[in-house]
Amino acid sequence: GDSVTQMEGPVTLSEEAFLTINCTYTATGYPSLFWYVQYPGEGLQLLLKATKADDKGSNKGFEATYRKETTSFHLEKGSVQVSDSAVYFCALSDTSGTYKYIFGTGTRLKVLA
Amino acid sequence: NAGVTQTPKFQVLKTGQSMTLQCAQDMNHNSMYWYRQDPGMGLRLIYYSASEGTTDKGEVPNGYNVSRLNKREFSLRLESAAPSQTSVYFCASSEQDRARAFGSGTRLTVV
Repeated sequence: GDSVTQMEGPVTLSEEAFLTINCTYTATGYPSLFWYVQYPGEGLQLLLKATKADDKGSNKGFEATYRKETTSFHLEKGSVQVSDSAVYFCALSDTSGTYKYIFGTGTRLKVLA
Repeated sequence: NAGVTQTPKFQVLKTGQSMTLQCAQDMNHNSMYWYRQDPGMGLRLIYYSASEGTTDKGEVPNGYNVSRLNKREFSLRLESAAPSQTSVYFCASSEQDRARAFGSGTRLTVV
């Protein structure tokens, strides 16, 4: 079945550092791909999405490109801030037509001032 | 701008007790979901409702029941709570395969 593999955390960076969180997937069809962010004590919020190969999703300085050839959707940000400290989840929409998501296990990011 | 509202936010139960987690959305979404979040395991789907009047099992349905009361409301019931059900529970809603809107969660502890 479909699956998502995310790099394990925690990831600790200094403010203004470059961020990459790796995400790879396996899917039999053509899923949509998502990044969600969860701040402490809150639910998940959509950060960005891409619906087809070579699409680039972007929001709040974060970017991710849907790479079908490498089955990847890595999250990047050029200069992180303390306020970016959160848990980041990669997800794909199930391709079987049931609209179920497959979530990665999450990567905790801690940004130090 | 309420979005998805879950109640309660926190709950402690004794083993064997029952309770119902409530969820309501005001975005007119057809689909609603219940997830549990456990450390190191991401989010796992318990049950979902693709549209009003339908419910289906997800990955981890054992020990739970759901009711899609109307288009807005989707409740999750634990009939006889067990310590293994200690978790954070999230309700979400969406239109088909579009992005999910999540509630802020219910932190449940079963002792």
